[in-house]
Amino acid sequence: GENVEQHPSTLSVQEGDSAVIKCTYSDSASNYFPWYKQELGKRPQLIIDIRSNVGEKKDQRIAVTLNKTAKHFSLHITETQPEDSAVYFCAAPTQGGSEKLVFGKGTKLTVNP
Amino acid sequence: GAVVSQHPSWVICKSGTSVKIECRSLDFQATTMFWYRQFPKQSLMLMATSNEGSKATYEQGVEKDKFLINHASLTLSTLTVTSAHPEDSSFYICSARRGAETQYFGPGTRLLVL
Repeated sequence: GENVEQHPSTLSVQEGDSAVIKCTYSDSASNYFPWYKQELGKRPQLIIDIRSNVGEKKDQRIAVTLNKTAKHFSLHITETQPEDSAVYFCAAPTQGGSEKLVFGKGTKLTVNP
Repeated sequence: GAVVSQHPSWVICKSGTSVKIECRSLDFQATTMFWYRQFPKQSLMLMATSNEGSKATYEQGVEKDKFLINHASLTLSTLTVTSAHPEDSSFYICSARRGAETQYFGPGTRLLVL
């Protein structure tokens, strides 16, 4: 089955700096990679996703890159703000399909004012 | 949008009682919903996949007789924790799949079993 590794587990940056979170996956047939943001006590919210037919996707200050050969994908947040502070989870589908998602262990991002 | 609601948001119950949690997709139909459990400061652990009109598929190690799932309509799935015990206390979150891949999460239900 799919195995998703996420690094780092914690990340602290100064407001305005960039933050990068990386994930690796094991199933080469996986084709969909979402990123979720979870604030304390709240639901995970989908912030961006990427499919295997593209290498990069941007949405304002957030971008995701995908390297299928190396089987890793990364979340990039530029010009970080205190409200970006949260736990971020990456995920990948199991068994190459898109039925179930396997989540990384999460990265706690703290943006210091 | 893609809105998923969950009810109740909080429940406290005595050991041995059963608790039902509802998950609803409000503005789209979801043939597939998922139930997760999340412990403090940990990731999301998939418990089961709920398919409308058929039996749920449980992950390894999840007792299907303890966590009963019913997906009776395209907008509603329920999770019943039967004979709850303190070790069942947790944050339970559902998600509904919209389209082929994207999952949208409910706000979660915090269960405390005394």
